[in-house]
Amino acid sequence: EDQVTQSPEALRLQEGESSSLNCSYTVSGLRGLFWYRQDPGKGPEFLFTLYSAGEEKEKERLKATLTKKESFLHITAPKPEDSATYLCAVQSSGNTPLVFGKGTRLSVIA
Amino acid sequence: DAGVIQSPRHEVTEMGQEVTLRCKPISGHNSLFWYRQTMMRGLELLIYFNNNVPIDDSGMPEDRFSAKMPNASFSTLKIQPSEPRDSAVYFCASSLGAVTEAFFGQGTRLTVV
Repeated sequence: EDQVTQSPEALRLQEGESSSLNCSYTVSGLRGLFWYRQDPGKGPEFLFTLYSAGEEKEKERLKATLTKKESFLHITAPKPEDSATYLCAVQSSGNTPLVFGKGTRLSVIA
Repeated sequence: DAGVIQSPRHEVTEMGQEVTLRCKPISGHNSLFWYRQTMMRGLELLIYFNNNVPIDDSGMPEDRFSAKMPNASFSTLKIQPSEPRDSAVYFCASSLGAVTEAFFGQGTRLTVV
């Protein structure tokens, strides 16, 4: 059974304090790893897809990386507007829908 | 495109009542997913459709839950009878194929009292 574990559950940062969120996964064969951002009262918003170990993608202050067992979402010099829950999901080679982790709640304090 | 549209945004109902949640996927997308989100369990897949056909409903918690997709632009999730433990946020998502990123609606917050 595909499993995704995210850590930490919650993270509080000062504005400008860089950090990383972790996503560990177990799948029968990885087709893709996805990062989403979710704001309170809204649906998850797609950020990145990573397909193979060593791949990296960037968007503004966010950079996602992938190894064979985990993914990191690096946040560089965060701003208060980066506060949200960040969700990681995996898709296995069995063409199954996304399986999500429980997310990391990020708070960035000015 | 307006994205995935769900209605209602909020629903409060009494235990035992029937509840119907509605979803309009993104035009052109051929896969549709129903997820449920709670603090304890996170986002859980309930059922998904490919080309309007239910492919996997193993996530549907019990027979009280049913879902239909009568055409490519509309799907419903029905709970009958509803129970307090069904209280959660229900999300609909769609994608172009089951193996690409899914795009989510704003969700329906269901409260069963």
